[in-house]
Amino acid sequence: GAVVSQHPSRVICKSGTSVKIECRSLDFQATTMFWYRQFPKQSLMLMATSNEGSKATYEQGVEKDKFLINHASLTLSTLTVTSAHPEDSSFYICSAREREVGTGELFFGEGSRLTVL
Amino acid sequence: DAKTTQPPSMDCAEGRAANLPCNHSTISGNEYVYWYRQIHSQGPQYIIHGLKNNETNEMASLIITEDRKSSTLILPHATLRDTAVYYCIVNAGNNRKLIWGLGTSLAVNP
Repeated sequence: GAVVSQHPSRVICKSGTSVKIECRSLDFQATTMFWYRQFPKQSLMLMATSNEGSKATYEQGVEKDKFLINHASLTLSTLTVTSAHPEDSSFYICSAREREVGTGELFFGEGSRLTVL
Repeated sequence: DAKTTQPPSMDCAEGRAANLPCNHSTISGNEYVYWYRQIHSQGPQYIIHGLKNNETNEMASLIITEDRKSSTLILPHATLRDTAVYYCIVNAGNNRKLIWGLGTSLAVNP
């Protein structure tokens, strides 16, 4: 199946710093990518929908100025957690949909575990 | 999107079939049933999806009732590596805004 890769898989940073997470579709073009956050023992919560060439659409309660999303190409979307705080520590997961595919599956990255000290 | 209901946990013996149920009584006519699973500390993995007919692939079978209000994911010969949280999601296909519940935590025991 198609491959979505995230980098880094783990990151530890100090409070107040910014962290960038990359999501790449390795063998297909992704018109749309999705960013999720998952806290321990909880389900995935959609943060935002990233559309190539346009502004991301954020879910209610997600601060767009804190979680910056850039989808500059059909194979790359980035999530930047700005001024990170310990409560931002979480498992961040991206997913991508292949362009022009109707009802097919979403492909997910391996996830990025962020720990803010 | 329609809400789904799944048992929080299930056990299965290695080598036996694992049958994971899902209720989606408010599913709309244009909504598909998708199954994903998530192994601990990894991203979700697509398993299978269907609309009306039963579906089978190399990973699993999906049985959808005639009224489409429930479905069952079948792992024919469960292995230890199938231990994961299994999510049943209904979605209209071209809308990828999937709504994730808590899923079923499947433990495959030796």
